[in-house]
Amino acid sequence: EPEVTQTPSHQVTQMGQEVILRCVPISNHLYFYWYRQILGQKVEFLVSFYNNEISEKSEIFDDQFSVERPDGSNFTLKIRSTKLEDSAMYFCASSPRQGMNTEAFFGQGTRLTVV
Amino acid sequence: AQSVTQLDSHVSVSEGTPVLLRCNYSSSYSPSLFWYVQHPNKGLQLLLKYTSAATLVKGINGFEAEFKKSETSFHLTKPSAHMSDAAEYFCVVSEKEYGNKLVFGAGTILRVKS
Repeated sequence: EPEVTQTPSHQVTQMGQEVILRCVPISNHLYFYWYRQILGQKVEFLVSFYNNEISEKSEIFDDQFSVERPDGSNFTLKIRSTKLEDSAMYFCASSPRQGMNTEAFFGQGTRLTVV
Repeated sequence: AQSVTQLDSHVSVSEGTPVLLRCNYSSSYSPSLFWYVQHPNKGLQLLLKYTSAATLVKGINGFEAEFKKSETSFHLTKPSAHMSDAAEYFCVVSEKEYGNKLVFGAGTILRVKS
C-alpha cells in the first residue's frame, strides 16, 4: 500500500543551525502539507503546497521556514535558524485532490529536538 | 473558524468492553470530519471519515462514528476493545468546505486494560 515516508525519524540539532526535513509523498498525489505537534499540544497546520507553490500557510510559518519540491518526488521543509521552540514532531502529508471529505495521508513523523 | 473539541484527554477501558471517544465540532457549513489514530512511534492513520452519504460511518478495525448534526457531535465507538487499540485518537475537521487544511482536536489517549 502506498505510504508517505519521512526521513530522518529523529533529528537533534544545535540552536541556530539549519535543518531540512524530508518527505516522499504518495506518488500520484498533488497536494502536500506539513504539520507539527509540540509536545503536549495539538497537531497544527504549517503549510500547504500545490503546483510548485505555497497555497496556504499559518502564522507559525514565518521567514525561517521554507518548503520545496526539488525533484518531483521529495518534499522538504527547511528551518533556517532553529530555535528551542521549534522542537516538535513534524508530520508530512499528501492528498490526491482538494475538496470535501478528502483525507490527508500522513507520514510517521520526524521528531526534531533543538538543543 | 472550524474547530473540534475532544471531551476526554484520557479514556481507560477493559479489554472486551465498549469504547466511546467523544468529539464535538463547530462548523459553519457541512463539515468534513475524520478520525485519525496514532500508535506509539507510528504516523497518523485514518480510521474513518464522514462523507454525508450516511450518518453512521464504519472504519477500520471495527470502529464506527455517528454524525449527529443536531448535537454537533461525531463520537467514535467500538463494541469491544482490544489491547491493540491502545493509542491516541484525533478528531479532525477540514477548515474550509472545499479545502484540505485540517484542524485537529487535542487528542484522546485510549488505554486498554487486560
